[in-house]
Amino acid sequence: KAGVTQTPRYLIKTRGQQVTLSCSPISGHRSVSWYQQTPGQGLQFLFEYFSETQRNKGNFPGRFSGRQFSNSRSEMNVSTLELGDSALYLCASNEGAANTGELFFGEGSRLTVL
Amino acid sequence: GESVGLHLPTLSVQEGDNSIINCAYSNSASDYFIWYKQESGKGPQFIIDIRSNMDKRQGQRVTVLLNKTVKHLSLQIAATQPGDSAVYFCAEIKGGYQKVTFGTGTKLQVIP
Repeated sequence: KAGVTQTPRYLIKTRGQQVTLSCSPISGHRSVSWYQQTPGQGLQFLFEYFSETQRNKGNFPGRFSGRQFSNSRSEMNVSTLELGDSALYLCASNEGAANTGELFFGEGSRLTVL
Repeated sequence: GESVGLHLPTLSVQEGDNSIINCAYSNSASDYFIWYKQESGKGPQFIIDIRSNMDKRQGQRVTVLLNKTVKHLSLQIAATQPGDSAVYFCAEIKGGYQKVTFGTGTKLQVIP
């Protein structure tokens, strides 16, 4: 089985722009979660989608949004980028069962905001 | 507030020795505790998990211990190898589904 695929792997944006990141989960996985990783804050939960519905949401401003398509692929969008949004954005998939914690992560999209 | 934290930011061990990575948590309502390994340039990789109603769980060369009395979680790696060099995160799940709260991470350096 192919693993979780994230695109693009690297990108550079300027303040005020917006960005869309894509995630293709492992085949058969219906849950997709997004995390932001920074040296200062570590890994922080953004949101989780299951069957095109957002099931959980972290404590991020409304500039951060996501969606999931019928094929389980997911996108996240960050609008009006700020310098502090520079981070590694990680996507993880899971079959979807509750409370297992076994997430399969992609290699991430590294966003730099100038 | 709730938190999942680690005692040591960096741990250096000799190849072949056993490694113990510790983690403290403050919220006793979690259902699962998990250890992840993150190698440079890669996403975190699931190592092992333990349910809140268990004290110990063993995998291949790894053992996780859960002490709910003192809210402490540890990961033991037997016969540490250079390939074990990575950042290790403890994490917890509380409240359903896949919302995982990660600790700050411990960097394990294996000395050949």
